[in-house]
Amino acid sequence: EVQLVESGGGLVQPGGSLRLSCAASGFTFSSYDMHWVRQATGKGLEWVSAIGTAGDPYYPGSVKGRFTISRENAKNSLYLQMNSLRAGDTAVYYCAREYSSWGMDVWGQGTTVTVSS
Amino acid sequence: QSVLTQPPSASGTPGQRVTISCSGSSSNIGSNTVNWYQQLPGTAPKLLIYSNNQRPSGVPDRFSGSKSGTSASLAISGLQSEDEADYYCAAWDDSLNGLVFGTGTKVTVL
Repeated sequence: EVQLVESGGGLVQPGGSLRLSCAASGFTFSSYDMHWVRQATGKGLEWVSAIGTAGDPYYPGSVKGRFTISRENAKNSLYLQMNSLRAGDTAVYYCAREYSSWGMDVWGQGTTVTVSS
Repeated sequence: QSVLTQPPSASGTPGQRVTISCSGSSSNIGSNTVNWYQQLPGTAPKLLIYSNNQRPSGVPDRFSGSKSGTSASLAISGLQSEDEADYYCAAWDDSLNGLVFGTGTKVTVL
């Protein structure tokens, strides 16, 4: 079964750091571009980052310089290192597999990040 | 402050056809393909349409996508109660150099 499982969410103080993980199974992880997408409670979807099969990263301006996406193909794992966290980063974070043309066909169940003092 | 604008809501009775619009600009929809997602309450998004009008395996042909200029549309024909969900469009934006999602549309089956 094709599956993505996120972990690492939790409560962190403003200015703190957190590292999210995403474990992939059921497909050849190294062959796919991967993404992180977040959703604040009651709000829409927001793209957070992507990484190509060669390890090339992409970020929107809102997280560039604070977040770092990485992958470890030998462990079928995707990561998101989040630094200098702000209240506005509070959301459910999903990892997703890219199917075609930036379309994401497999999503995890999400992990919740809460930034609060 | 999404760059892709969708109507906040849409509705229809069972069996009707509902259309959702997604308005963008030359830097996103005008020059890149559009994807559509369905998000049922409390669940992760599901890819409905990719590359403007392609359906992934398993998506019913009741769902169809189209694009013209700087706008795109998702049509749901033969509306069913299980189609009640939030729908999002998405496209790469060349100016922002990033992926952008639409504001989202909540579809209600009356």
